[in-house]
Amino acid sequence: IQLTQSPSSLSASVGDRVTITCRASQGISSSLAWYQQKPGKAPKLLIYAASTLRSGVPSRFSGSGSGTDFTLTISSLQPEDFATYYCQQLNSYPLTFGGGTKVEIK
Amino acid sequence: QVRLQESGPGLVKPSQTLSLTCTVSGGSISSGDYYWSWLRQHPEKGLEWIGYIYYSGTTYYNPSLKSRVTISADTSKTLFSLTLNSVTVADTAVYYCARELRGLYGMDVWGRGTTVTVSS
Repeated sequence: IQLTQSPSSLSASVGDRVTITCRASQGISSSLAWYQQKPGKAPKLLIYAASTLRSGVPSRFSGSGSGTDFTLTISSLQPEDFATYYCQQLNSYPLTFGGGTKVEIK
Repeated sequence: QVRLQESGPGLVKPSQTLSLTCTVSGGSISSGDYYWSWLRQHPEKGLEWIGYIYYSGTTYYNPSLKSRVTISADTSKTLFSLTLNSVTVADTAVYYCARELRGLYGMDVWGRGTTVTVSS
């Protein structure tokens, strides 16, 4: 299953609302996770089952969607949110990831 | 709190075998709730899932690597390993071990990653 993320990069300011989309090549129900990765670090799980916020993740992060179209939204971008974000499908093996969206400071 | 740590050679010659170990601290791989996975990330690229091992010994590999990959677990159940045969420069990447909570919950624990360079 191929996952296409858009945009591949974006520039935003602190306080902005940011939306990242992930489209699956076939329906995956709600079997989608979102990760945040900072340079030189391992990915960090943010959201699973498309919209469930992992414990300890700030509430400004939210996920939505089902089937083939999903979104990750950061309601008010904070300095620590500048990173690359990946979606991952868990509907079937092999597990696959989107190409990533790099969120940069404007 | 479970922690994972990758270890192994940072440099491997082409055509040779890459071998990495993931040490599990604060727990073991004996729980049936998790898959214990290997992933990699090519330089400045996205993430690729390599495969997993379940506590029972069941494994599942990415078809793109299946002919060259073996994931195994130590009998102590506190470490699992990745072996990748016949490596080429295309296998140069950061390799991660991670824990996947079964039931579509995603990968909730990751190692820090280890860089492997394939070069003569």
